[in-house]
Amino acid sequence: AQKITQTQPGMFVQEKEAVTLDCTYDTSDPSYGLFWYKQPSSGEMIFLIYQGSYDQQNATEGRYSLNFQKARKSANLVISASQLGDSAMYFCAMRGQGGSEKLVFGKGTKLTVNP
Amino acid sequence: DAGVTQSPTHLIKTRGQQVTLRCSPKSGHDTVSWYQQALGQGPQFIFQYYEEEERQRGNFPDRFSGHQFPNYSSELNVNALLLGDSALYLCASSRTGVVHTEAFFGQGTRLTVV
Repeated sequence: AQKITQTQPGMFVQEKEAVTLDCTYDTSDPSYGLFWYKQPSSGEMIFLIYQGSYDQQNATEGRYSLNFQKARKSANLVISASQLGDSAMYFCAMRGQGGSEKLVFGKGTKLTVNP
Repeated sequence: DAGVTQSPTHLIKTRGQQVTLRCSPKSGHDTVSWYQQALGQGPQFIFQYYEEEERQRGNFPDRFSGHQFPNYSSELNVNALLLGDSALYLCASSRTGVVHTEAFFGQGTRLTVV
């Protein structure tokens, strides 16, 4: 069975600073995908970044980067130059083999960016 | 491109009633997955529909059922509503046969059972 663990219920960061949100995962599948989503209070799940298990390089998307350590089974999200609009819930999720497998989510981390 | 659309956005129902939620997938997508997100939790997988059939199911009772139409849109039905069914219901769409590097979600339907 697949499992995602996010151990930080809440995180605080000053505007313009960087922050790392932790995510560890467990799976027996040799091939999998890891996702990070942002969920503002409106409820919509906004895709941020994806990392495939066979990708050689860490994924980056603008101010978002993923610190992928396969041996440790961790996929931490790094947000650089935090903005007030980054305040939201952040979810780590994984998908197993096959393109349409279900997503398994962690419990999320609430990020608050202070001015 | 309209993306994934869900209706209604909010809904209030009484215990014991039945509810139907609707989802239209992103253009070009043929697979629809439904998730339940209770307050303060991550989304939990309910089931997935492809070619008008339920392909995969999570740990949800039979009160939760669904349907997919020939145009790939989908409905989620919940019978005999319980207070614990109050949650945000999210729909996600994808295209089977393609390794997805992104899953597209709708804005969700907030269901309140009183």
